[in-house]
Amino acid sequence: GDSVTQTEGLVTVTEGLPVMLNCTYQTAYSDVAFFWYVQYLNEAPKLLLRSSTDNKRTEHQGFHATLHKSSSSFHLQKSSVQLSDSALYYCALSAYAQGLTFGLGTRVSVFP
Amino acid sequence: ETAVFQTPNYHVTQVGNEVSFNCKQTLGHDTMYWYKQDSKKLLKIMFSYNNKQLIVNETVPRRFSPQSSDKAHLNLRIKSVEPEDSAVYLCASSRLGGSQNTLYFGAGTRLSVL
Repeated sequence: GDSVTQTEGLVTVTEGLPVMLNCTYQTAYSDVAFFWYVQYLNEAPKLLLRSSTDNKRTEHQGFHATLHKSSSSFHLQKSSVQLSDSALYYCALSAYAQGLTFGLGTRVSVFP
Repeated sequence: ETAVFQTPNYHVTQVGNEVSFNCKQTLGHDTMYWYKQDSKKLLKIMFSYNNKQLIVNETVPRRFSPQSSDKAHLNLRIKSVEPEDSAVYLCASSRLGGSQNTLYFGAGTRLSVL
């Protein structure tokens, strides 16, 4: 079945510095979309980015990601993190009519 | 802005009891879902439902069942809870059930089984 592998555990980063969260995937389907969701403490997961176009950069709220089908990756990056970026980040894929398959989540903690 | 509403926010119960969680979406979406978020924050789909078709994750125990009155509501019933059912249950909806559609989540119902 489909699977998503992302940077595990906790990533700590100093405010103002860059961050990259890795995401790779496996799927047998060709009609697939990719997502990054962010979940703040005690809140619902919210869409951060989505893409289904190979080699096209997608940006939102200072974050960006590019889908690379050749390497089965959809890494998330931000050039300068803020304290408010501290949250749990999920990479996910959606294939056919099966809902989203999520990675294990990466917690980002930003320190002053 | 919340458009997927879940009740209750929290529920504490004992092993063997029956519980039911409610979910309503006001987005006019056609497809709704239930996900389980465990203590390690792993998110796993349990059901998806769009009035015509129910898709069940085959790993979901039979004591779990979705209940829908219309396309805006999808409740979750657990017939006889077990300790491993302690988790956050997240309801979501999307416009269509295809691959290109974004899911919108509710804030979740946290279940604690004593």
